[in-house]
Amino acid sequence: EAGVAQSPRYKIIEKRQSVAFWCNPISGHATLYWYQQILGQGPKLLIQFQNNGVVDDSQLPKDRFSAERLKGVDSTLKIQPAKLEDSAVYLCASSSSGIVEQFFGPGTRLTVL
Amino acid sequence: AQKVTQAQTEISVVEKEDVTLDCVYETRDTTYYLFWYKQPPSGELVFLIRRNSFDEQNEISGRYSWNFQKSTSSFNFTITASQVVDSAVYFCALRPIIQGAQKLVFGQGTRLTINP
Repeated sequence: EAGVAQSPRYKIIEKRQSVAFWCNPISGHATLYWYQQILGQGPKLLIQFQNNGVVDDSQLPKDRFSAERLKGVDSTLKIQPAKLEDSAVYLCASSSSGIVEQFFGPGTRLTVL
Repeated sequence: AQKVTQAQTEISVVEKEDVTLDCVYETRDTTYYLFWYKQPPSGELVFLIRRNSFDEQNEISGRYSWNFQKSTSSFNFTITASQVVDSAVYFCALRPIIQGAQKLVFGQGTRLTINP
C-alpha cells in the first residue's frame, strides 16, 4: 500500500513570495492533516480536513495561509506572502475512519530567505 | 489545555546500552490516547505505539517497551540493547478521545544518538 505522498520535498523562496505544497493521502483515508514542524520543535497542527470539509483550522494563520481539499482526496497548502518565520517542514498526514493512528508523509522542507 | 513535555532534548549512548526516553503530559480530558513516533533523518514520522488512558498495562515489543503511569502522567519509552539504527528523534504525543477534532499535541522531541 502506497504511503502519503508530498511534493516538492524541498523549496527555497524569498520572503514575500508565494509557495504551494501538495499532498496525496493514503487511498481511502477520509481525514487529512497539515502540520508545521519548526526546527527543534514537535509538529503543530495547521488544519484538519474530513473529506473536503474543514474540521479544525484554529491554528492556521489565515491572513497568509490557505488550504483546500477538492474532491476529498488531494490537498494543497499555500503561503502567500511568505515570512522568514515560515521556514519549517510541512508534514501531511492521513487517517481512516475507525483507525486512530495518523500516517505521515516525508514532508516538504521550506526555507524562506 | 493539553501539553506534552519531553525534558530530554538530546541523549547519546553507546550501542547495546539501554536507554529510557521520558514523556510527561497534562490534560483535562478524562479519556485520551498517548502515542510515540520516531522521526529518522529522512523526516517521515513513523508510528510506534498507541495507548488508551483507561489501559495502563505496560507493553513490550521486541527491544521496545513502554511504561504508562496515569498517577504521574507519564508515558516513558525504553529501548533495550540499543542499536545504531535506533538513532532518530522520538516524539511523544497526546490526543483526546472525542469525535471530530483529532489534533495530535506533540512534545518537543528527544534526539537519540546511538554510537557504535
